[in-house]
Formats: sequence, structure tokens, C-alpha cells
Amino acid sequence: ETGVTQTPRHLVMGMTNKKSLKCEQHLGHNAMYWYKQSAKKPLELMFVYNFKEQTENNSVPSRFSPECPNSSHLFLHLHTLQPEDSALYLCASSQPDRVVGYGYTFGSGTRLTVV
Amino acid sequence: TQLLEQSPQFLSIQEGENLTVYCNSSSVFSSLQWYRQEPGEGPVLLVTVVTGGEVKKLKRLTFQFGDARKDSSLHITAAQTGDTGLYLCAGANAGGTSYGKLTFGQGTILTVHP
Repeated sequence: ETGVTQTPRHLVMGMTNKKSLKCEQHLGHNAMYWYKQSAKKPLELMFVYNFKEQTENNSVPSRFSPECPNSSHLFLHLHTLQPEDSALYLCASSQPDRVVGYGYTFGSGTRLTVV
Repeated sequence: TQLLEQSPQFLSIQEGENLTVYCNSSSVFSSLQWYRQEPGEGPVLLVTVVTGGEVKKLKRLTFQFGDARKDSSLHITAAQTGDTGLYLCAGANAGGTSYGKLTFGQGTILTVHP
């Protein structure tokens, strides 16, 4: 399988649940990203990982916890979320020295609904 | 902080019409990229423009990078219903603290009616 794969595609969770989003890329990229996309708002960068190390946390609440065990996999662990956290969560990957020419490759996203 | 402003935010047109979407910034970028996103999917890269004044054509889509590398436009000729989607511009820089990062505009939602 090629590209960036995100699972699950859809997730409904209660505010007291704990769940995880998974992202996997088979492109040999060294950087991976989590973005949040809400209705009528621009893409919000959440976390950046370069070579498995977190290089950016864009003031994200601690109820979102990222994990990057290797350059191909990225997780977003969720706990005690709020209804306003309902959104499309997108994972992307890139080769940082080629972003200027080749940009990001995005996954299809996980549509999260918090009830 | 680098910002990209897209206009218009919403565009609703009839099939066959032409349209232009604009992406403007006060910052200089090494490249400007355009992505298209369909409902329930992630953005997909359409094109990258790198040289100031560059024009690229992709079938009915024409992309232009401003001479000063601060702005870009996307022109669609004879729009089709399949062009419906969210169009995002994104600026990239080659180095410094922005290395490997993209700055996204807020997007333009295009609806093409049959």
C-alpha cells in the first residue's frame, strides 16, 4: 500500500472515552504532521515530528497526546475530549528538504464526533 | 507569523463559467502550492509554483505565481461539476524556522452547479 493511511475513517466517542487515531506512511518521508480541520476554519497545525522527534506542539490541549514510535507511524491518543473537539483530523507526511517542490501528502482523515 | 489570505471564501457558479481564486500574503515564499480537497478526504496537491511570475497550466486550470513571490492565483476555465471542492493555497519556505513547514490559507469552497 502506498501513500498515507489513516484509521479509523470515522470515530464516535463519549467525553470519558479513550481512543487513538493511527497514521501510517509508506513514502519514506521523515516528517509527519497532525492537523485539525473544523467547519469554516482553516487547517490548524497541531503537532510536527521530524525523524521521530516532536519539533512542534502548537499549544494543543493535553487531552491530545501524540506518539511517533518510528518515521512511518504516528498516533494521536485522545482522552476526555470535549464536543468542540469534533472535527476532521488529518495526518500528513513530507520530506522536509523537498516541501518547497513537493509539498505534503495527506491521509484521508478521521472524522471524529465527540458526544 | 506568515499569513495567507484567500479570496473569495465561497464561490457558487454555473457549469461552463470561468473563475479565479486569489491567494495573497505580505510575506515572500519559496514556493506556492495549491491543493484540492473533496468532502471526507484529505487535500491533494495540484501544483507547485516556484519562480516569480511563473505560470503553470493543468488542463483547464491555470496557476500563476506573483513576480514578488507573495501571491498566487488559480483560474479555472469552463468549470465542470467535478471541479467542486475546497481549494487551498499553501506557502513553503526553504529554510530558517519555517523549514519543511507549510502555511495554509483558509480555503475557497467552490460549488459548480449543473
